[in-house]
Amino acid sequence: ETGVTQTPRHLVMGMTNKKSLKCEQHLGHNAMYWYKQSAKKPLELMFVYNFKEQTENNSVPSRFSPECPNSSHLFLHLHTLQPEDSALYLCASSQDLGAGQGSVTQYFGPGTRLTVL
Amino acid sequence: QQQVKQSPQSLIVQKGGISIINCAYENTAFDYFPWYQQFPGKGPALLIAIRPDVSEKKEGRFTISFNKSAKQFSLHIMDSQPGDSATYFCAVPSYNTDKLIFGTGTRLQVFP
Repeated sequence: ETGVTQTPRHLVMGMTNKKSLKCEQHLGHNAMYWYKQSAKKPLELMFVYNFKEQTENNSVPSRFSPECPNSSHLFLHLHTLQPEDSALYLCASSQDLGAGQGSVTQYFGPGTRLTVL
Repeated sequence: QQQVKQSPQSLIVQKGGISIINCAYENTAFDYFPWYQQFPGKGPALLIAIRPDVSEKKEGRFTISFNKSAKQFSLHIMDSQPGDSATYFCAVPSYNTDKLIFGTGTRLQVFP
């Protein structure tokens, strides 16, 4: 399997549930990202990991908890979400962070469509 | 926070027409400007990108034009087709955070 995969593709959860989104990249990249994409809004960068270390957290509420056990896997743990958290959650990877188009070009997964009831 | 201004927000074009989407940036770490295409229910996919040594790059019906002095670049889609209907994002390498900064997106609809 190649590219960036995400599971599940669709998720419906109640506000009291705990769930996790999974992302796996098969590109040998070192940097991974979580984005939130809501209807009629731009891509919102949530978290950035480089070599398994979190390098950026864009003021994301603590009900979203990322985990990066290795350079190929990225998780987003969800708990006590709100209906306004319903969105498409996209994972992306790039070679790493740094100068050069080869480093910064991001490759996206298909996303997880999350609905919070 | 560095911004990338993309316009228009939405675009309706008749089949066979030319679609033009523009982006403007403040600063960039280096001259590399990719465009991403996103179909409904899918993640964005790299469509075409321009490197610093040229002011224009063409791949099939898609052309990027780059104006370094104006800090602007644009995507032209010639002979637009209904299958081109998607959301398009430009991106710029961040000046100080070593990653891509994305524009706000343009929703293109091409009608037969």
